[in-house]
Amino acid sequence: SQQGEEDPQALSIQEGENATMNCSYKTSINNLQWYRQNSGRGLVHLILIRSNEREKHSGRLRVTLDTSKKSSSLLITASRAADTASYFCATVRINAGNNRKLIWGLGTSLAVNP
Amino acid sequence: DVKVTQSSRYLVKRTGEKVFLECVQDMDHENMFWYRQDPGLGLRLIYFSYDVKMKEKGDIPEGYSVSREKKERFSLILESASTNQTSMYLCASSVKGLAGSARAQYFGPGTRLTVL
Repeated sequence: SQQGEEDPQALSIQEGENATMNCSYKTSINNLQWYRQNSGRGLVHLILIRSNEREKHSGRLRVTLDTSKKSSSLLITASRAADTASYFCATVRINAGNNRKLIWGLGTSLAVNP
Repeated sequence: DVKVTQSSRYLVKRTGEKVFLECVQDMDHENMFWYRQDPGLGLRLIYFSYDVKMKEKGDIPEGYSVSREKKERFSLILESASTNQTSMYLCASSVKGLAGSARAQYFGPGTRLTVL
């Protein structure tokens, strides 16, 4: 079952503009993670934000987390054509064996036009 | 850097064949995962392993089995391939997180399997 839901499903912007993607989830989480996937390739981990954090930065990436609204956003500033990819959020699910598995959203497809 | 490799980028098999997908990671990670990714359905967990010889079913284990005889290697087996198993298969690994947490997963490049 999907917990994270990204919004929008697709986004098209010009190079140099900022891109914002949102993720909503349903249950309490321990952390939330964002990943990038270039076309036909594996996923790359971008950033992990813990439930007690509100904002985190990594280069041109800024992630916010609002646990009261059960939502997160990923901001890419000064976008480049190379940022064209799908972006996924993933949250933690607890299973009966106390191992932690990620629940994935369906992703936002970002196109950055030169 | 963490490196996760998968045995094939593209694979074409016939219905009924037994298929082995291999995944190797070089960072001594405890956890390893097999996902399949299909348009409109996202990533779905097939199986995962949190230690050698340990495995747990994910969301869609039917038609699949796994093997983890060594810490660095996690194999996905399609006992009798069917056309509905045509998909992109992604392997991932992660360190074992503290109780209540899940750590970042590192993915291989994926295997695009076509079953005819």
